[in-house]
Amino acid sequence: GESVGLHLPTLSVQEGDNSIINCAYSNSASDYFIWYKQESGKGPQFIIDIRSNMDKRQGQRVTVLLNKTVKHLSLQIAATQPGDSAVYFCAENRADTGRRALTFGSGTRLQVQP
Amino acid sequence: NAGVTQTPKFQVLKTGQSMTLQCAQDMNHEYMSWYRQDPGMGLRLIHYSVGAGITDQGEVPNGYNVSRSTTEDFPLRLLSAAPSQTSVYFCASTGLGDSQYFGPGTRLLVL
Repeated sequence: GESVGLHLPTLSVQEGDNSIINCAYSNSASDYFIWYKQESGKGPQFIIDIRSNMDKRQGQRVTVLLNKTVKHLSLQIAATQPGDSAVYFCAENRADTGRRALTFGSGTRLQVQP
Repeated sequence: NAGVTQTPKFQVLKTGQSMTLQCAQDMNHEYMSWYRQDPGMGLRLIHYSVGAGITDQGEVPNGYNVSRSTTEDFPLRLLSAAPSQTSVYFCASTGLGDSQYFGPGTRLLVL
């Protein structure tokens, strides 16, 4: 079925390097995407979002890129820090369902090596 | 603001027991939802509510009931717990711009 998925289950990077986490979605009706960070034992924490009328959005040390042509979403983290170690989820919201609930991907674990 | 709060943090049930997971938010958000998260997986939507008195089913609603008598509270009821309902449960509320805020979760073990 239609779903949001991730290319890599685990990503290991060196402290100070840039990290890129990828996500693919299959529903062309998706118009809103969010990246969440989840640390062990905690609920998902909002990082950054992007709407389908944008290609790029920047936050503090994070950038989300949206390629609607290939239905691909990525999260870039600059100068990755040990505190960035967590599981990252992309999620989509589909306007065609009229819902404001999200469909989540399975997650990518980011491991930052000191 | 406390944001989204959930109680209890942990619960152990025997098969067939019933219980209610509590969720409350103090941000005056109309939209609230319940998700479950199984090990190594993303969150799956159980039920959601677009406002007081209105609820609807998500992806995995079987075995769960909800009600929304006030804007602040959105309890999730397990009528007859089953081992398959062992999971971590997250409540969320949606603010302006569709941003969702999650509670800390309830860890449920059904024996």
